[in-house]
Amino acid sequence: DVKVTQSSRYLVKRTGEKVFLECVQDMDHENMFWYRQDPGLGLRLIYFSYDVKMKEKGDIPEGYSVSREKKERFSLILESASTNQTSMYLCASSKGVKIEQYFGPGTRLTVT
Amino acid sequence: DQQVKQNSPSLSVQEGRISILNCDYTNSMFDYFLWYKKYPAEGPTFLISISSIKDKNEDGRFTVFLNKSAKHLSLHIVPSQPGDSAVYFCAATDSNYQLIWGAGTKLIIKP
Repeated sequence: DVKVTQSSRYLVKRTGEKVFLECVQDMDHENMFWYRQDPGLGLRLIYFSYDVKMKEKGDIPEGYSVSREKKERFSLILESASTNQTSMYLCASSKGVKIEQYFGPGTRLTVT
Repeated sequence: DQQVKQNSPSLSVQEGRISILNCDYTNSMFDYFLWYKKYPAEGPTFLISISSIKDKNEDGRFTVFLNKSAKHLSLHIVPSQPGDSAVYFCAATDSNYQLIWGAGTKLIIKP
């Protein structure tokens, strides 16, 4: 069964803190994605990766970076958290040329 | 500029009746469309998809219709059940494996 896990369900951080969000998939998927979901805006792509050590910017990469050192793990980093980064963060993965993405449960991040 | 639009933020339907969720797109290069369902505090789960070479795809109670000339697709749920209450997202791609998402429609099934 397809499984994508995210390190935290809820996270509260202070402005200026460095924040790490971890995502792990156990399906040997090549592709991994980080989105943020905000009311009325749907899902917006932050970064994605098609292979280990490879990353591509999505639609809203500003203020974020990513790391993919192993195939199963894709990390999202907020270098200096700001209040406008308060959001639901969703990680997803997909296999090869298949389009369907499988999502983790999400991390609700609040920056105060 | 939103390439995928779900113009109804919410929809309320009586249990047992048909739910119709709509989605419009602007990019004629999109050739594959997906519907996802999302419960609160969970990630979206894949529901059903359709390729641009088809105009209909069915899976149990769920049917997706695609009208390429109108750049419109719809998801029909028949009959609607209480467990169908969720946010539904429409997504599209031009086969570069990146999905473009609509804003979502919250479906409420009334008992």
